[in-house]
Amino acid sequence: QKEVEQDPGPLSVPEGAIVSLNCTYSNSAFQYFMWYRQYSRKGPELLMYTYSSGNKEDGRFTAQVDKSSKYISLFIRDSQPSDSATYLCAMSGGNFNKFYFGSGTKLNVKP
Amino acid sequence: EAGVAQSPRYKIIEKRQSVAFWCNPISGHATLYWYQQILGQGPKLLIQFQNNGVVDDSQLPKDRFSAERLKGVDSTLKIQPAKLEDSAVYLCASSPPGLAGSDTQYFGPGTRLTVL
Repeated sequence: QKEVEQDPGPLSVPEGAIVSLNCTYSNSAFQYFMWYRQYSRKGPELLMYTYSSGNKEDGRFTAQVDKSSKYISLFIRDSQPSDSATYLCAMSGGNFNKFYFGSGTKLNVKP
Repeated sequence: EAGVAQSPRYKIIEKRQSVAFWCNPISGHATLYWYQQILGQGPKLLIQFQNNGVVDDSQLPKDRFSAERLKGVDSTLKIQPAKLEDSAVYLCASSPPGLAGSDTQYFGPGTRLTVL
């Protein structure tokens, strides 16, 4: 079993739609949860960072962590064509533990 | 603030040749990571440095891959000899001071390696 599972998509939505991206994980020691956006031929760019359970909002983006279910989500409201990219979830147990990445979900927002 | 710099951006070599990649992290970032990202997959950690000491190299194929971080700043990753399956993007990332797992990683643009 992989440490982190993520549906690879692709996910295609019309402009303005609400997008839901998800990851599940198996290691209950993970405490730090991140979402990265990666455009084609670019390095990953940090979008959201959450410690432990709960919600975090930043503009059109909301990150949710449910540690009891080992499930994290990223919601994108009012999606734009510029949101078209691959979204990677990542997590870590902290204290110099390494980061584990999902395989990425490719999102296409159609104008 | 300047980001993580990597060079070269692209490299094409034949199998059994050697290749080296260079990374300059964000100024003041103590932790440096090298990742391998194969097309369609998430980044896989190869090696993690804290200053110039190795924290984790458990997934580094040590028979062919080596990495160093002299003086705790720049880092180089070398592959010798390269295999076809080494074709991937090699990403360098750095983290600011503090507990490495609690801090975020900032990625460079990557080096795209093609082994023929």
